[in-house]
Amino acid sequence: KNEVEQSPQNLTAQEGEFITINCSYSVGISALHWLQQHPGGGIVSLFMLSSGKKKHGRLIATINIQEKHSSLHITASHPRDSAVYICAVRSGETSGSRLTFGEGTQLTVNP
Amino acid sequence: DTGVSQNPRHKITKRGQNVTFRCDPISEHNRLYWYRQTLGQGPEFLTYFQNEAQLEKSRLLSDRFSAERPKGSFSTLEIQRTEQGDSAMYLCASSLGERQYFGPGTRLTVT
Repeated sequence: KNEVEQSPQNLTAQEGEFITINCSYSVGISALHWLQQHPGGGIVSLFMLSSGKKKHGRLIATINIQEKHSSLHITASHPRDSAVYICAVRSGETSGSRLTFGEGTQLTVNP
Repeated sequence: DTGVSQNPRHKITKRGQNVTFRCDPISEHNRLYWYRQTLGQGPEFLTYFQNEAQLEKSRLLSDRFSAERPKGSFSTLEIQRTEQGDSAMYLCASSLGERQYFGPGTRLTVT
């Protein structure tokens, strides 16, 4: 069993739909990251969370430390949101510690 | 562009050959990370540096792999006697705090 598991692995939506991607982890963590990866490899950090909820534009990320679970929501999805979304956790105490990644969720938003 | 850069972007090599990749981090970032990503999977941690010191190495980093960051700026990752299983995207990231900034990656194909 991976330390970080994401669901679903693949998600297809119609433009405008509300999207949820889930991440569960089995280790104690200091921080959780949501990342976006476009074709060709480029990875962009979307959120860093250690508690509660964060919002940036149409993206919302939540984390429940007790349940070891985080969700990434996209409101009013758009075809340009199509990408792989990756959850990663840091279990070390210092901010420079390694990240452990989930396998990613491939999101396709159709017009 | 002052982001993280990696060279080369693509490398095709024959099994048994040595390859070296370079990563230039964002200039003021003291931490530098190497990750490996195979198709359909999330990135896997290989190693990380704080300044010139290599602080952690994954057990994935076999004896054939070596990484250096001689002056605490750019880093190189060398793979000796490449094997077909080494074919992957090699990602570099740098950070000053919690957030990691990723380069575009070097795609290695071993034939």
